[in-house]
Amino acid sequence: GAGVSQSPRYKVTKRGQDVALRCDPISGHVSLYWYRQALGQGPEFLTYFNYEAQQDKSGLPNDRFSAERPEGSISTLTIQRTEQRDSAMYRCASSFPGRGADTQYFGPGTRLTVL
Amino acid sequence: ELKVEQNPLFLSMQEGKNYTIYCNYSTTSDRLYWYRQDPGKSLESLFVLLSNGAVKQEGRLMASLDTKARLSTLHITAAVHDLSATYFCAAEETSGSRLTFGEGTQLTVNP
Repeated sequence: GAGVSQSPRYKVTKRGQDVALRCDPISGHVSLYWYRQALGQGPEFLTYFNYEAQQDKSGLPNDRFSAERPEGSISTLTIQRTEQRDSAMYRCASSFPGRGADTQYFGPGTRLTVL
Repeated sequence: ELKVEQNPLFLSMQEGKNYTIYCNYSTTSDRLYWYRQDPGKSLESLFVLLSNGAVKQEGRLMASLDTKARLSTLHITAAVHDLSATYFCAAEETSGSRLTFGEGTQLTVNP
């Protein structure tokens, strides 16, 4: 079956622009997570949702970062007024509580480059 | 705050040899995950360990969990080149919540 998909796969933007990154989870998965992965590092938690409710946003670096999942399926991570330090791979994951021991399945990621 | 440490961070080994990757975590965790990542690819789930003493095996990889010692191990038996990748462990504080990842162990298996 289809896995987690993300778009765009690559995004190059200029400093100060806003960007929106999209995540389409595995069909039926209740939980959706956003992580950021720097080169040579493990993923770092940003935020997560159960259905449409944002459960934990403690990993968002500052108020330029926000996320939503209005209908409990697709999610958008928005970064306003991008800065060069925002350049990273942004990964989305989804899981179904109680199925597969809540394994989080990761998408291919969006590589964001801020010039 | 949950912290996860892996060692070694880099591991170069010969085909046919055995080795163990260690994963320590700092506070009580509900469960422990192992993922594999190939260069330029996403993370692939390998194992989920749910309880003290849990042991899971898949092919040449075996993972175990000791919750009292807050330690998980990933043992590689008779390594083959195809196992070359970066391996991450991740701990979850409570079920269905955020994962905290280690730095990863970059494994290279040489012919």
